[in-house]
Amino acid sequence: EMEMTQSPATLSVSPGERATLSCRASQSVSSDLAWYQQKPGQAPRLLIYGASTRATGVPARFSGSGSGTDFTLTISSLQSEDSALYYCQEYNRWRTFGQGTKLEIK
Amino acid sequence: QVQLQESGPGLVKPSETLSLTCTVSGVSISSFHWSWIRQPPGRGLEWLGYGHYSGSTKYNPSFKSRLTMSVDTSKNQFSLKLSSVTSADTAVYYCARVSGYFDPWGQGTLVTVSS
Repeated sequence: EMEMTQSPATLSVSPGERATLSCRASQSVSSDLAWYQQKPGQAPRLLIYGASTRATGVPARFSGSGSGTDFTLTISSLQSEDSALYYCQEYNRWRTFGQGTKLEIK
Repeated sequence: QVQLQESGPGLVKPSETLSLTCTVSGVSISSFHWSWIRQPPGRGLEWLGYGHYSGSTKYNPSFKSRLTMSVDTSKNQFSLKLSSVTSADTAVYYCARVSGYFDPWGQGTLVTVSS
């Protein structure tokens, strides 16, 4: 069974600083990894697919990296509107989501 | 652009069947796979399964015995049926286009299981 583990559960970062979110797969998923942003009361929004490709309209301050089992979402120069839940999801085996990281802006 | 809209009853009784429809606009439903994902209140995302107009489906093994998904090309709609529901099936249900990842998503619809 595939498991996706995100860390930390909650992250608090000041505006203008960098946020680094991690996602680890229990088995290799190659680069079949996506990241989503979800704000309260909204559907998730695709940010990154293929581990590092930004979706259409996603600001350049969002970047993804990694392959195999370890992945990172980096948000450089945080803005207040980046406060949200962030989920990773593999699409190599099934369609498994991580449990999410809550990003708070100080 | 591609838009998705979920619809269906907001309240379902325990042991009954939950039925939802996803209406797709902006693209032919036969061109892609389509998926259902749910999110219990205050919790994370859970993939249920996906389907294709050809009839092929793939379901999350945790739900396989209770799930049916189908595509109606005449209406450009994708449907979900989840049988024998309990309170644990209370969630916001989303439909989404599948390209491995999910994009775009519908706005979601809350389904509450209660007598």
